[in-house]
Amino acid sequence: TQLLEQSPQFLSIQEGENLTVYCNSSSVFSSLQWYRQEPGEGPVLLVTVVTGGEVKKLKRLTFQFGDARKDSSLHITAAQPGDTGLYLCAGGGGSNYKLTFGKGTLLTVNP
Amino acid sequence: DTGVSQDPRHKITKRGQNVTFRCDPISEHNRLYWYRQTLGQGPEFLTYFQNEAQLEKSRLLSDRFSAERPKGSFSTLEIQRTEQGDSAMYLCASSFGPSAGGLTGELFFGEGSRLTVL
Repeated sequence: TQLLEQSPQFLSIQEGENLTVYCNSSSVFSSLQWYRQEPGEGPVLLVTVVTGGEVKKLKRLTFQFGDARKDSSLHITAAQPGDTGLYLCAGGGGSNYKLTFGKGTLLTVNP
Repeated sequence: DTGVSQDPRHKITKRGQNVTFRCDPISEHNRLYWYRQTLGQGPEFLTYFQNEAQLEKSRLLSDRFSAERPKGSFSTLEIQRTEQGDSAMYLCASSFGPSAGGLTGELFFGEGSRLTVL
């Protein structure tokens, strides 16, 4: 069974601060996706990374896939209250037809 | 709205009753997934369909659960003889089939159906 561990589980920061959340596994994933979920809603895809060492930027969000494709990080610069939500990482396995999700990092950005 | 839609959004039922959830995927997507999410957890895979064929079921899907996707369009998830442990958000997602590189495409999630079993 492939498991994804996300840390920290909870993070509360002030507007304007930077933060990094992590997604780690002992398994290799063919691809890794990051989703953001707001209360009462379904997850929404932010990015997919597929190549070891890959870095993708989405405005103030920077995503990195580890060289060995076992871990990933999400860095947010100058966080805003609108960034508040549950950030989930999800790994695609060899068969690639389903995703394994981590438990998520619940981020609160206070104004 | 051409996104994934789920119905009902909320369902409160008594233990032992049967419930059914419906999911209408994005029309051109051939894959449909059901996930379950409990408080403080990420979504857990339950089952998935490619067109009308149910290709895998998680061991989380006990014999009280049944999912169908007749004609490869909408899907239903039925839970019989509900238990309090079934209380969760049931999420449906759809996607295209694998890309040329065999990678899972983006999953588009619905807003979920929240089940509360009293």
